[in-house]
Amino acid sequence: GNSVTQMEGPVTLSEEAFLTINCTYTATGYPSLFWYVQYPGEGLQLLLKATKADDKGSNKGFEATYRKETTSFHLEKGSVQVSDSAVYFCALLPYGNNRLAFGKGNQVVVIP
Amino acid sequence: DVKVTQSSRYLVKRTGEKVFLECVQDMDHENMFWYRQDPGLGLRLIYFSYDVKMKEKGDIPEGYSVSREKKERFSLILESASTNQTSMYLCASSSSGPSTDTQYFGPGTRLTVL
Repeated sequence: GNSVTQMEGPVTLSEEAFLTINCTYTATGYPSLFWYVQYPGEGLQLLLKATKADDKGSNKGFEATYRKETTSFHLEKGSVQVSDSAVYFCALLPYGNNRLAFGKGNQVVVIP
Repeated sequence: DVKVTQSSRYLVKRTGEKVFLECVQDMDHENMFWYRQDPGLGLRLIYFSYDVKMKEKGDIPEGYSVSREKKERFSLILESASTNQTSMYLCASSSSGPSTDTQYFGPGTRLTVL
């Protein structure tokens, strides 16, 4: 089946630190891959996406590259800010399908 | 910009009550979705609809029903609310056109069932 695995546990880091959140997936065919962000008390917002292998999605200083060989879509940001504190969800959409499969999310806390 | 709105941000209901959660999107999207979000479980799909009056069960449809009488509106119904339905409910919509992949989410309704 289709599934997404995110690293366990919250991530706490200092302002201006480098952020990586790991995401690996299992899917048949060629899914589209997404990162969504949820700020406190709000719904999910699309952060970035990639629709084919080797594509790089980027937005607001965040980047993720669709790696088919390692079935991964890790999220990175070079210098985080306190305003980046949120929950981050990795998700995949199987080709020809409307149903997103989500990872369980990672809480990111950035300390001043 | 796509806008998905939900009728309430916070809702408190009693066990056994019938509860309606409303979702409206303004982008003429064909597909609409209802999820619930619980700590440690992430997002789980309850129901989705790909056209007016059409619906399909998601992963956890038990205890819920849906209604889609107009393209822009998708309602989630709890026929008899129970405490284990206390959760955050998120609505989303997407297009069936060329850019079919991105789902756009509403702000969520935090439902408490006492």
